Amino acid sequence: EAGVTQSPTHLIKTRGQQVTLRCSPISGHTSVYWYQQALGLGLQFLLWYDEGEERNRGNFPPRFSGRQFPNYSSELNVNALELEDSALYLCASSLVGGGYTEAFFGQGTRLTVV
Amino acid sequence: QKEVEQDPGPLSVPEGAIVSLNCTYSNSAFQYFMWYRQYSRKGPELLMYTYSSGNKEDGRFTAQVDKSSKYISLFIRDSQPSDSATYLCANGGKLIFGQGTTLQVKP
Repeated sequence: EAGVTQSPTHLIKTRGQQVTLRCSPISGHTSVYWYQQALGLGLQFLLWYDEGEERNRGNFPPRFSGRQFPNYSSELNVNALELEDSALYLCASSLVGGGYTEAFFGQGTRLTVV
Repeated sequence: QKEVEQDPGPLSVPEGAIVSLNCTYSNSAFQYFMWYRQYSRKGPELLMYTYSSGNKEDGRFTAQVDKSSKYISLFIRDSQPSDSATYLCANGGKLIFGQGTTLQVKP
């Protein structure tokens, strides 16, 4: 069974550009979480989608947005990129949201903003 | 106040030592807690989860929750160099993580 897959694995963008990151959850998982992991800052929670709805949002500006599709895959969009957006972006999926959630992570997308 | 807080370390111990990793949380409504391990440049992987208070043991790992003090602990017995990684605690449900503690086990 395939795990959580993220694409692309690496990308380089210029400040001010826009980027879209993609995540495919494990088959049957309906919840998708997005995190930003900048160097030395740990996992910062970005967004949680469950059954196509945004359930929770972290303390990030509105230029970070996303959505979840009917097949439960998800996109993370970042507009007006800033240098400090350079980080590893991780996606996780779980069978159900809320309560007990055994979440599985992808390998991440490493974004570099220059 | 952050929902989950963790001392980032780094923590360095000799091989065979008992390691204690700790987190505190602020929301008393949390019921589930998890420990993840993250090797460099990899996604985190689930180590253990616990529900409410008490201990849970899995091989060399023991997870402990003290709801009265809002304290979560992970103990690693007979630590090995392969245990060198970043350990992250998280609350179940919202899946909010602490900053992670970097552990190095020296041969």
